[in-house]
Amino acid sequence: QVQLVESGGGVVQPGGSLRLSCAASGFTFSSYGMHWVRQAPGKGLEWVAFIRYDGSNKYYADSVKGRFTISRDNSKNTLYLQMNSLRAEDTAVYYCAKDPGYCSSTSCYVSWYFDLWGRGTLVTVSS
Amino acid sequence: AIRMTQSPSSFSASTGDRVTITCRASQGISSYLAWYQQKPGKAPKLLIYAASTLQSGVPSRFSGSGSGTDFTLTISCLQSEDFATYYCQQYYSYLPTFGGGTKVEIK
Repeated sequence: QVQLVESGGGVVQPGGSLRLSCAASGFTFSSYGMHWVRQAPGKGLEWVAFIRYDGSNKYYADSVKGRFTISRDNSKNTLYLQMNSLRAEDTAVYYCAKDPGYCSSTSCYVSWYFDLWGRGTLVTVSS
Repeated sequence: AIRMTQSPSSFSASTGDRVTITCRASQGISSYLAWYQQKPGKAPKLLIYAASTLQSGVPSRFSGSGSGTDFTLTISCLQSEDFATYYCQQYYSYLPTFGGGTKVEIK
């Protein structure tokens, strides 16, 4: 079954840290770039971060740059998001999402949209 | 960053109606546009990419059109399961951005 399952959310104080995980199954995780997207309560969607299939390149939204770190362990089919210096405005449901980009014999392409989403994990930053 | 503006933000419709949602980009994005459906408490679901290509498994009553700055999502015959919030997303730039969403409610 093709799926993504996030974990690691919870309540944390401002300035604190949290690490989210996303377990992938049913597809070749090591062949695809992966994203984190978040949604504040009652609000719209905001892209957070991307990592290439091999971890060689990472991109971040300005709102989290320098505070969040995306990483992956292809041997464990798992994506991570390390969140430091958390703020109240980071409160959201965090989704991991798969990029449908593909690799040819010579190059790999990132699509920058999202064809598979997890169910999300809620992060609440509050004192 | 490229700003995406959806209209309307919400509206009411009846089962069987033909509905259209509009998305406008702050600059030209060619056809690098996706549409998602999100139901309460659920993750978004990809409906359309490349402005008009239907994702596998999505019913053919959904269609997308447009290029450049103006795009539309059309549901030809609204079904009960289509009441949800719809988001457009540009991927022309490597910093993808979403529209604010359009909530389709039951009349």
